[in-house]
Amino acid sequence: GAGVSQSPSNKVTEKGKDVELRCDPISGHTALYWYRQSLGQGLEFLIYFQGNSAPDKSGLPSDRFSAERTGGSVSTLTIQRTQQEDSAVYLCASSLKPGGPASGVSYNSPLHFGNGTRLTVT
Amino acid sequence: SQQGEEDPQALSIQEGENATMNCSYKTSINNLQWYRQNSGRGLVHLILIRSNEREKHSGRLRVTLDTSKKSSSLLITASRAADTASYFCATSNAGGTSYGKLTFGQGTILTVHP
Repeated sequence: GAGVSQSPSNKVTEKGKDVELRCDPISGHTALYWYRQSLGQGLEFLIYFQGNSAPDKSGLPSDRFSAERTGGSVSTLTIQRTQQEDSAVYLCASSLKPGGPASGVSYNSPLHFGNGTRLTVT
Repeated sequence: SQQGEEDPQALSIQEGENATMNCSYKTSINNLQWYRQNSGRGLVHLILIRSNEREKHSGRLRVTLDTSKKSSSLLITASRAADTASYFCATSNAGGTSYGKLTFGQGTILTVHP
């Protein structure tokens, strides 16, 4: 079946503009994650959606960043008033089991990643 | 220091040799996962080892976990040029409200020369 799809694959924007990045998770996956990866670096956690629970937004670097997940499927990450330091690859991932005591399921589900959106702020 | 730190940062070997990458972490974990990333692509899940497991195999991959030392290793046997990629370990926190949140290390860049 189809994997995690992200769009656009590349985005170049001017400093100060707003951008929206889209993620289509695998059908049936209830958990969705956004990570950011700078060149040659590891992954920085941004936000995590789990079913109908309130999202874990603890990784968002500033209030210019926000994300929503409509209908428990597609997610949009919005960056307002972009800055040059926002330049990075933004990766979305989904998993089948949300995990955690609240769901009664262990945390042992692997993540399926999209190919990311490369954002360049000029 | 970050949770899930890999070493070496870069590893260059010849085809047919074995490649060993290590990962250290700081907090208690529920499980540890290894991912692979080819240039310009997303990450692909390789293998997961639970905190109560010590060793796991999958094809040419062997993963060990030592919770007393808070470390894990990934061994790729009989490496191939196609194994060239970045490899990341990721830890899943054992408690708190971080359900399912994986913390990734900086990765090891593996180059396998034909």
